[in-house]
Amino acid sequence: GENVEQHPSTLSVQEGDSAVIKCTYSDSASNYFPWYKQELGKRPQLIIDIRSNVGEKKDQRIAVTLNKTAKHFSLHITETQPEDSAVYFCAASLIQGAQKLVFGQGTRLTINP
Amino acid sequence: NAGVTQTPKFRVLKTGQSMTLLCAQDMNHEYMYWYRQDPGMGLRLIHYSVGEGTTAKGEVPDGYNVSRLKKQNFLLGLESAAPSQTSVYFCASSFDTAYGYTFGSGTRLTVV
Repeated sequence: GENVEQHPSTLSVQEGDSAVIKCTYSDSASNYFPWYKQELGKRPQLIIDIRSNVGEKKDQRIAVTLNKTAKHFSLHITETQPEDSAVYFCAASLIQGAQKLVFGQGTRLTINP
Repeated sequence: NAGVTQTPKFRVLKTGQSMTLLCAQDMNHEYMYWYRQDPGMGLRLIHYSVGEGTTAKGEVPDGYNVSRLKKQNFLLGLESAAPSQTSVYFCASSFDTAYGYTFGSGTRLTVV
């Protein structure tokens, strides 16, 4: 089955700097890659996703890139702000049948003022 | 429009007790899921359902049972709780396999 590895487990950046979180997946058939943000004590919330027919997707300060050959995808946050502090999870699945998302272990991002 | 609602939000069980966690969604989603979240391990799939009357095992199904008698509800049961089942449980639903999940607010379960 699919396995998703996420790095780093913790990340601390200065406010205004960029943050990058990387994930690798094992199943070359996976074709859907969402990212979730989870604030302390809250539910995970979808912030951006990408499908395997595109290599990059942007939404304001957030972008995701996908390298299907290398089987890895990354989340990029630019001009970080204190409210970006949270745990971020990547995930992978197939867009067919039951969409069983397999999650990475999570990255705790801290934005220092 | 409440989205995905989980009850209860907190529960403490003694070893060997049973309980049922309820997940309800009002978005007419076909797919529903139960995950557990443990520190450093991300979210792991327990069971899932692709429609009313269907259930299937996920990555960590042992010690749990599920039922989906109605499209809007997905129940997770623990027949004989064990300390290893101490965790935060999240229910999620999705409209289609090409879209992300909507998560419930979670249930924090402690088994002593």
